Amino acid sequence: RKEVEQDPGPFNVPEGATVAFNCTYSNSASQSFFWYRQDCRKEPKLLMSVYSSGNEDGRFTAQLNRASQYISLLIRDSKLSDSATYLCAVIVMDTGRRALTFGSGTRLQVQP
Amino acid sequence: GAGVSQSPSNKVTEKGKDVELRCDPISGHTALYWYRQSLGQGLEFLIYFQGNSAPDKSGLPSDRFSAERTGGSVSTLTIQRTQQEDSAVYLCASSTTSVGGSYNEQFFGPGTRLTVL
Repeated sequence: RKEVEQDPGPFNVPEGATVAFNCTYSNSASQSFFWYRQDCRKEPKLLMSVYSSGNEDGRFTAQLNRASQYISLLIRDSKLSDSATYLCAVIVMDTGRRALTFGSGTRLQVQP
Repeated sequence: GAGVSQSPSNKVTEKGKDVELRCDPISGHTALYWYRQSLGQGLEFLIYFQGNSAPDKSGLPSDRFSAERTGGSVSTLTIQRTQQEDSAVYLCASSTTSVGGSYNEQFFGPGTRLTVL
């Protein structure tokens, strides 16, 4: 089983739709959680950190469910420019390593 | 301010040659990471530098891979005797030092696309 798993998609949604992605992690010692956005042939760009109480940044809302070991990303009022691959990433505390472990990404295509 | 920079942006080399990839982290960031991204493998960790501590090399795939970080800033990733399976995008990221057990956000450079013929 992969440490971090995501549905690869693609998720095809119309402009203005609300879309949600989940990401599950297998190691309960995972401590820090992030969502990155990656455009084709570009580097990952940090979208938002995910805090225990959940957090919102404009149209984007991130949630953490430690009991079920998943994080989620909700995008409201989708824009064409939201089309990208969304990567979740975790840092596992018990390894002592602060490197990110990434999921394979979920592709989103917002259509006019 | 300036982000993470990497050079070269593209590198094409012949099998068996050595290559050096360079990373300039964000000024003031003490932590530096190397990752690589290849088709079918996703993003995988290679090596991590934190200040003057010994680097975490646990992600390096073979002893042909090495990295150093001079003066706590610029880092060079060296791949000796390159193989075709080394073809990938090599990404560098940096972050500030975490405080109180939390982990700070990592910011990525544009990457070096390595093609081994």
